[in-house]
Amino acid sequence: KNEVEQSPQNLTAQEGEFITINCSYSVGISALHWLQQHPGGGIVSLFMLSSGKKKHGRLIATINIQEKHSSLHITASHPRDSAVYICAVIRGAGNTPLVFGKGTRLSVIA
Amino acid sequence: EAGVTQSPTHLIKTRGQQATLRCSPISGHTSVYWYQQALGLGLQFLLWYDEGEERNRGNFPPRFSGRQFPNYSSELNVNALELEDSALYLCASSLGGVLYEQYFGPGTRLTVT
Repeated sequence: KNEVEQSPQNLTAQEGEFITINCSYSVGISALHWLQQHPGGGIVSLFMLSSGKKKHGRLIATINIQEKHSSLHITASHPRDSAVYICAVIRGAGNTPLVFGKGTRLSVIA
Repeated sequence: EAGVTQSPTHLIKTRGQQATLRCSPISGHTSVYWYQQALGLGLQFLLWYDEGEERNRGNFPPRFSGRQFPNYSSELNVNALELEDSALYLCASSLGGVLYEQYFGPGTRLTVT
């Protein structure tokens, strides 16, 4: 079993829909990242969080440390949000590198 | 401010050859990370350098090696290339250590024939 599990694997949404991508992990962590990878391969870091909630534009990330779960929400989705969204965690005290989920492929249709 | 840069963009090698990939971090960043993303697979951690030292290494054979130079740029070397080494190799940089946000380069796509 992978240490970081994402759901769903694939997601198709209509433009304007509210989208939720989930990430569960089985180890103690120092922090969690949400990354976005566009079809060309480039990766952008969206959020790094260790507690609570962060918001940037139409994107919201939450984390529940006790339940070992994080969610990424996209409000008013747009075709340009189509990408692979990757959850990654820093295990333990923070001296270990990132452990990645397999990603969620999102397609937003106009 | 310039982002993380990687060269070359694409690299085609034959089995058994050696490949060298290069990464320049964001100015002021001392940590450089290398990741492999093989087709259909997720990202896997390869190597982490900070202040010129190797800090951690992923579950890859010794023919994957690298170094970090005094100006914090880094090189990834892959010896005795195998077909399964074909992948996108991504470099990222951060201020000192994994608890800082990582900024990714555009990647080098290595094809081994």
